[in-house]
Amino acid sequence: AQSVTQLDSQVPVFEEAPVELRCNYSSSVSVYLFWYVQYPNQGLQLLLKYLSGSTLVKGINGFEAEFNKSQTSFHLRKPSVHISDTAEYFCAVRDLYNTDKLIFGTGTRLQVFP
Amino acid sequence: NAGVTQTPKFRILKIGQSMTLQCTQDMNHNYMYWYRQDPGMGLKLIYYSVGAGITDKGEVPNGYNVSRSTTEDFPLRLELAAPSQTSVYFCASSYDGYGYTFGSGTRLTVV
Repeated sequence: AQSVTQLDSQVPVFEEAPVELRCNYSSSVSVYLFWYVQYPNQGLQLLLKYLSGSTLVKGINGFEAEFNKSQTSFHLRKPSVHISDTAEYFCAVRDLYNTDKLIFGTGTRLQVFP
Repeated sequence: NAGVTQTPKFRILKIGQSMTLQCTQDMNHNYMYWYRQDPGMGLKLIYYSVGAGITDKGEVPNGYNVSRSTTEDFPLRLELAAPSQTSVYFCASSYDGYGYTFGSGTRLTVV
């Protein structure tokens, strides 16, 4: 079964520094990949998604992610973070041919310090 | 445009009580989902539906039931509440099964 691994449960970073949140998925079959953000006491919002085409995907709030099929990874990056980026970030995957649902990782808590 | 609406936002139940978590969407989405979120565990799928009259189990369905009599509504039923069901519950919907729209969640405590 498909699974998603987010290796870092927490990532502390200073404001204006770059950040990378790591995500690896288990299957080598064709997949769709997503990053969601959850601000405190809110539901999840879609940051970006990879369905096909260019492996570099740009999302909202200056985030981008790169799909790497050989390494089965979909890491999220931002060149300069803001205090307002403090949130929980979830990577999710869906098989191209199997099921109608997303499988989520355990999340990475991004804490931005002034 | 309300999106996905969940009620209630908070609830405390005693062990053995029952309740229904309501979820309604006004986007005419066919796909709807129930997840629970526990600290450090991410989101686990409880049940999902690909259309009215069709439901299927997710990863953690035990102790829950769902129905989908209309496109708009996807209620989640807890029959005999247990402390292990203390969690935050999220409902989501999707037009095509890819981009999900989430509700704001229901925080449930079972004591």
